[in-house]
Amino acid sequence: GQQLNQSPQSMFIQEGEDVSMNCTSSSIFNTWLWYKQDPGEGPVLLIALYKAGELTSNGRLTAQFGITRKDSFLNISASIPSDVGIYFCAGQPGIQGAQKLVFGQGTRLTINP
Amino acid sequence: EAGVVQSPRYKIIEKKQPVAFWCNPISGHNTLYWYRQNLGQGPELLIRYENEEAVDDSQLPKDRFSAERLKGVDSTLKIQPAELGDSAVYLCASSQRAGGGETQYFGPGTRLLVL
Repeated sequence: GQQLNQSPQSMFIQEGEDVSMNCTSSSIFNTWLWYKQDPGEGPVLLIALYKAGELTSNGRLTAQFGITRKDSFLNISASIPSDVGIYFCAGQPGIQGAQKLVFGQGTRLTINP
Repeated sequence: EAGVVQSPRYKIIEKKQPVAFWCNPISGHNTLYWYRQNLGQGPELLIRYENEEAVDDSQLPKDRFSAERLKGVDSTLKIQPAELGDSAVYLCASSQRAGGGETQYFGPGTRLLVL
């Protein structure tokens, strides 16, 4: 089945540092999404990307839909303590309509005090 | 606007017992999803509903899992009998078409522990 490879699996950074994580696939996805999940909660949507090459920002977060449709990255600038959590990329393979999401394995972000 | 509501938040049962999870999607969202998230992994789809119709249940282990969405709003996911390997977080999500795709919003999940 379709799989997303997300890296890195974990990150340990200092407050204020920038963060970069990415997701790759062997097959094409037509929508890329980035979610954050806090302990004991469900994933919360951060950014949605619908077009190849699209670059979208949400505050300190920036994500891009790769031109090949097989990858996406998420950057977080000037990290703060509340950025701690697990970040998931997710892709939708189809063009339109409701579909399942295929998730990456997650990137666990830890910020050292 | 209220988000996706799930209950219970936590459930501990012994193996071979039945268990049920309930989900109330965001008002107006016609599509409802059930995902299972194992520890340290991303969510994996179990079943997707369009209104009251299950349009994708290919990943649902039908020998012990069942789901229903009567009247196309609330949904229930059931496991009978539960096995040790069913311990996981069961997430419900709902969506409404937005732009070029469907943005899915997740509930807080039900954490199941099977002993």
